[in-house]
Amino acid sequence: EIVLTQSPGTLSLSPGERATLSCRASQRVSSNYLAWCQQKPGQAPRLLIYGASIRAAGIPERFSGSGSGTDFTLTISRLEPEDFAVYYCQQYGSSVRTFGQGTKVEIK
Amino acid sequence: QVQLQQWGAGLLKPSETLSLTCAVSGGSFSGHYWSWIRQPPGKGLEWIGEIFHSGSISYNPSLKSRLTISVDTSKNQFSLTLSSVTAADTAIYYCAGGVRSPMESWGQGTLVTVSS
Repeated sequence: EIVLTQSPGTLSLSPGERATLSCRASQRVSSNYLAWCQQKPGQAPRLLIYGASIRAAGIPERFSGSGSGTDFTLTISRLEPEDFAVYYCQQYGSSVRTFGQGTKVEIK
Repeated sequence: QVQLQQWGAGLLKPSETLSLTCAVSGGSFSGHYWSWIRQPPGKGLEWIGEIFHSGSISYNPSLKSRLTISVDTSKNQFSLTLSSVTAADTAIYYCAGGVRSPMESWGQGTLVTVSS
């Protein structure tokens, strides 16, 4: 089973700042099948990025994904008020899928 | 992008069986990933299991002995049963699916509470 470790656990930033979130896998993620989702309190998660770097439909350009192999990054170029939330990575390259533990992006 | 609507019992006693169903609308059922995910109160997401494009099914090893995921293609539905539940199974359960990623679309979530 692939273990995903997200860092940092919490990111305290101000609107307009750049956010960089990391997701590290214990083994190579096949075909870079790595996705990122956003979850706000009381809501179901929302897909942001799949295939490590492909934005899902309707996702703003300020969200970008990068990385390959075992190291992946989600970058939010300029934080908007609605971006403060919890972010999870998920690998779907192996038959047993796994999630990272999440990174909370909070207002500083 | 498909829409997912889920339902099932929200309050169970220990040792009972959890049953949830997810109906898919607004798109093709075949050729998609279909998955179940849960989230204990205040905690992160946990993958439960999934039906792949090929029709094969994969389960979380920690739940496998109690878990069944099935599909009814005639109704565009897939279901989850988890037997012998305990308080540790208390969570919001989500169905999810898509073509490009197993997380492309999400159901609204069902809070399942296990309590005597």
